[in-house]
Amino acid sequence: AQSVTQPDIHITVSEGASLELRCNYSYGATPYLFWYVQSPGQGLQLLLKYFSGDTLVQGIKGFEAEFKRSQSSFNLRKPSVHWSDAAEYFCAVGAYTGTASKLTFGTGTRLQVTL
Amino acid sequence: DTAVSQTPKYLVTQMGNDKSIKCEQNLGHDTMYWYKQDSKKFLKIMFSYNNKELIINETVPNRFSPKSPDKAHLNLHINSLELGDSAVYFCASSQVREQFFGPGTRLTVL
Repeated sequence: AQSVTQPDIHITVSEGASLELRCNYSYGATPYLFWYVQSPGQGLQLLLKYFSGDTLVQGIKGFEAEFKRSQSSFNLRKPSVHWSDAAEYFCAVGAYTGTASKLTFGTGTRLQVTL
Repeated sequence: DTAVSQTPKYLVTQMGNDKSIKCEQNLGHDTMYWYKQDSKKFLKIMFSYNNKELIINETVPNRFSPKSPDKAHLNLHINSLELGDSAVYFCASSQVREQFFGPGTRLTVL
């Protein structure tokens, strides 16, 4: 069965500092991976996704993530954090059955940004 | 021009009541989903329908019954509501791998 681990429950960074959120997955086949962001009281917004190909993927809002198969990781990075990035971040691994895409989410990392 | 919409946004009700949450997508997708996000923010898939056919049914109490009248709509009916059903319920849709989420329905059971 697939699973996702986000080891950091809560991270605090200063505005302008760099950010890395960790994500490790477990999946028997080639995974496809996502990062979602959830602002307080809001729904889930897709930041970026990896299906295949280039292991460094670019997303919205200046985020990027790198897929490392040898480490079973898909860490999210941003070179300079803005106060508006404060939110909950979820990593997810997907299993596509041909008709449905079953996503398994990590427990999330809450990002706090100090000014 | 909302892609995936849910109604209502908030739902407050008493234990033992029956309630429904509606979801509609205008993306032309064939597959729709229901997820539950608990108080610890953990998200878990509940159901998935493809072209009105149930294809994913996770371990969910049978008080929860999804219904898909057509491929653009997926409703969630909950019978005999319990305190533990309090959560945010998200609807999503997909055509292939990428899922698009609705804004969520916050259900509070008193």
